[in-house]
Parts: sequence; structure tokens; C-alpha cells
Amino acid sequence: EVQLVESGGGLVQPGGSLRLSCAASGFTFSSYWMHWVRQVPGKGLVWVSRVNSDGRSTNYADSVKGRFTISRDNAKNTLYLQMNSLRAEDTAVYYCARPVEATRNGLDVWGQGTTVTVSS
Amino acid sequence: QSVLTQPPSASGTPGQRVTISCSGSSSNIGSTNVNWYQQLPGTAPKLLIYNNDQRPSGVPDRFSGSKSGTSASLAISGLQSEDEADYYCASWDDSLSGVVFGGGTKLTVL
Repeated sequence: EVQLVESGGGLVQPGGSLRLSCAASGFTFSSYWMHWVRQVPGKGLVWVSRVNSDGRSTNYADSVKGRFTISRDNAKNTLYLQMNSLRAEDTAVYYCARPVEATRNGLDVWGQGTTVTVSS
Repeated sequence: QSVLTQPPSASGTPGQRVTISCSGSSSNIGSTNVNWYQQLPGTAPKLLIYNNDQRPSGVPDRFSGSKSGTSASLAISGLQSEDEADYYCASWDDSLSGVVFGGGTKLTVL
């Protein structure tokens, strides 16, 4: 079964750091671009970042550029999001997602999400 | 304020056909593919349409997508109560070098 499972969310103070993980299974992880998308409960979807299959190419939303770092370990089938200098507005459910094969951005496999709360 | 513009709400009765619009610009919809997602309350989004008009396996053919210029549309025919959900369009934006989502449309089945 194709599956993505996020972990690492929690409560962190403003200015703090957190690292999210996304464990992939059931498909050849190293062949796919991977994304992070976040959503404040009751609000819309917001794209955060993506990384190409070998980890050498990344893109970020302006709101997180310079603070967040996306990476991957293809040997461990795991995607990461290192979040530094966290702000209250980063509070959201964070999803990792995989695109349809042979595409980069049509996200057809999603994890269940992990909640990040930035508050003092 | 989202880069892609969707109506905040839409509605229809069972069996009806409804369409949801998504308006963008030359740097996103006008030059790249559009994807559509359905999100039921409390669940992760589900891909309905990719590359403007392609359906992933398992998505009923009641759902269809189209694109013209800098706008795209999602059509749902034979509306069913289980279609009541939030719908989002998304596209790559060449100027921002990122994916942009619409603000979402809440579909109500009356």
C-alpha cells in the first residue's frame, strides 16, 4: 500500500525550531518529487516547499524561504522539513505529498498530517 | 489573498451539474497545468484532476476539468450528497517559482 506518514509536530515557542519527517512506503520513493503543504484549520491549503527526486533541487514559498529547509534521505525513504525561526503564523497542519507519476505537482498521495503549534 | 481566484461557495441539488471556476494569470494557469483537489471535512485533500483534464484512477468521470487561457474550471455532473466538500485549484507559478492554490470553494449539495 502506498503510504505517507508524517511525524514531528508539536508545540514550540516563537523563534524555536522543529523538524518534521515523512516516512514513505509502498512505492519507489527515490523516483518522485516530494512536497510539503500546510493548512490552518478552517482555512485553505498553502504550498510550502518541494524537492526533486535526488534532493538537489528545491523550491520554497516566499513566506518560509530562509527559515525552512526541505531535504530527503532516499536510503531511508524519508522526507524532512527543518523549520527554524518559527512564528505564530506557521501554526498549521503540515502534510507531505507525492505527485502523480511523471508529473511534479499534481499531488495524488497525501499523509494524514502533523500539527505544528507555535505559541508561548 | 490567494494568487488563484475561486468563488468562496457554490451549490446545487442532487443530479445537477455545477462548475467551479479558477482564475489566474499568464505566469501560472496561462503557462502551466492546473490541478484540482477535493477535501472532505477532517481529511487530507484528494486529487481529482491533474494536468488540466486528467483523472487519476478511481475518480468518477462525473468530475471533469478544463482550461482556457488564464482560467480553469472543474465540472461536477450528476451531483451527489457525498460531493459536499471544499474544492481547490492549484498550479505552478513561474514568477514565484512555487505552487499556488486557490482560496477554495465550499460546495453545498442542497
